[in-house]
Amino acid sequence: AQSVTQPDIHITVSEGASLELRCNYSYGATPYLFWYVQSPGQGLQLLLKYFSGDTLVQGIKGFEAEFKRSQSSFNLRKPSVHWSDAAEYFCAVARDAGNMLTFGGGTRLMVKP
Amino acid sequence: DAGITQSPRHKVTETGTPVTLRCHQTENHRYMYWYRQDPGHGLRLIHYSYGVKDTDKGEVSDGYSVSRSKTEDFLLTLESATSSQTSVYFCAISGDRPSQPQHFGDGTRLSIL
Repeated sequence: AQSVTQPDIHITVSEGASLELRCNYSYGATPYLFWYVQSPGQGLQLLLKYFSGDTLVQGIKGFEAEFKRSQSSFNLRKPSVHWSDAAEYFCAVARDAGNMLTFGGGTRLMVKP
Repeated sequence: DAGITQSPRHKVTETGTPVTLRCHQTENHRYMYWYRQDPGHGLRLIHYSYGVKDTDKGEVSDGYSVSRSKTEDFLLTLESATSSQTSVYFCAISGDRPSQPQHFGDGTRLSIL
């Protein structure tokens, strides 16, 4: 069965600093990988997705993620964090092109002024 | 935003009562999903539907049933609510193609006393 681990439950960064959120997955074949963001009281918004091809994918709001098969990782990065990026971030993996998602436990990001 | 409406947005009820949550979509997507979100667990799939009258169980389906009589509506029912079903419930939809990953509603906060 597929699984997703987000090792960091909480992360605090200063505004303007760089950010990396970790995601490790367990799946036998080539996975479909996603990052979602959730603001308080809201649903989940898709940041980016990886299906195949270039292992560095660009998303919305200046985020990017890199798929590393050898490390079973799909880490999310942003070069300069803004206060509005404070939210909870979820990594997810799917067998198919978006169906049957398995989510990690989430990482809550706090941004210091 | 994807056209997904969840109702009600908030509900408080008592143990042993039946509860039905509704998800309505205007995107004509084939797939619909119900998740629950609990701290530390991310989102976990309860049930999903791959067409009218076609549904299947997810990871945490015990105590829940679903129905889909029309493409646009997917109902989640708790036949006899228990306190362990206190959670935030999210509906999601997706199409068939890789370019159509899951999009989420704004959630229903359900409290069972």
